[in-house]
Amino acid sequence: NAGVTQTPKFQVLKTGQSMTLQCAQDMNHNSMYWYRQDPGMGLRLIYYSASEGTTDKGEVPNGYNVSRLNKREFSLRLESAAPSQTSVYFCASRLTGTNYGYTFGSGTRLTVV
Amino acid sequence: AQTVTQSQPEMSVQEAETVTLSCTYDTSESDYYLFWYKQPPSRQMILVIRQEAYKQQNATENRFSVNFQKAAKSFSLKISDSQLGDAAMYFCAYRSAFTGTASKLTFGTGTRLQVTL
Repeated sequence: NAGVTQTPKFQVLKTGQSMTLQCAQDMNHNSMYWYRQDPGMGLRLIYYSASEGTTDKGEVPNGYNVSRLNKREFSLRLESAAPSQTSVYFCASRLTGTNYGYTFGSGTRLTVV
Repeated sequence: AQTVTQSQPEMSVQEAETVTLSCTYDTSESDYYLFWYKQPPSRQMILVIRQEAYKQQNATENRFSVNFQKAAKSFSLKISDSQLGDAAMYFCAYRSAFTGTASKLTFGTGTRLQVTL
């Protein structure tokens, strides 16, 4: 099915471990986004990529890195996980310059212990 | 920077009744889009309704309608004939209409809606 696929859906990490959250879309969207969702804080933008080959910081980029591997894939890396990064992470994509909306992945619940 | 404020962390409505969720935003831009998203327990983000700032007419989607007050920077969601399936977290969101902003969405903190029998 067309959409945004995030892997994994759940993950538990120990403090200091690293991991990469994967995101892929098959809708030929140019823009992709990573958000984190925390109770009482809504969704906050971590990083985004307006097009293949470009990435920019969002509201809460500290502790994260991203890679726009190609037009389809946009990964989020935690180099040294901290308990403050316990959250639900959403990837989203959109075809900018159109009236089409955003497509969200189903989220990754990450717990750092 | 734009901000979106949802002042009601939780709301409750009886089945078949009407409920209104509030949202205010702050921006210096004149052209933008506003959204309401629904997030059920499945975590999926579902677009409920969208409003273009240049349109004076309030958007409507079946039982969902908005009251868009541009001068007051207010964007409330009205749910009529509430159903048990409407129980969810609802997020208000803002997007600039100007190019160069990469269409970033700014979200409010959410309102959790309970629907009771």
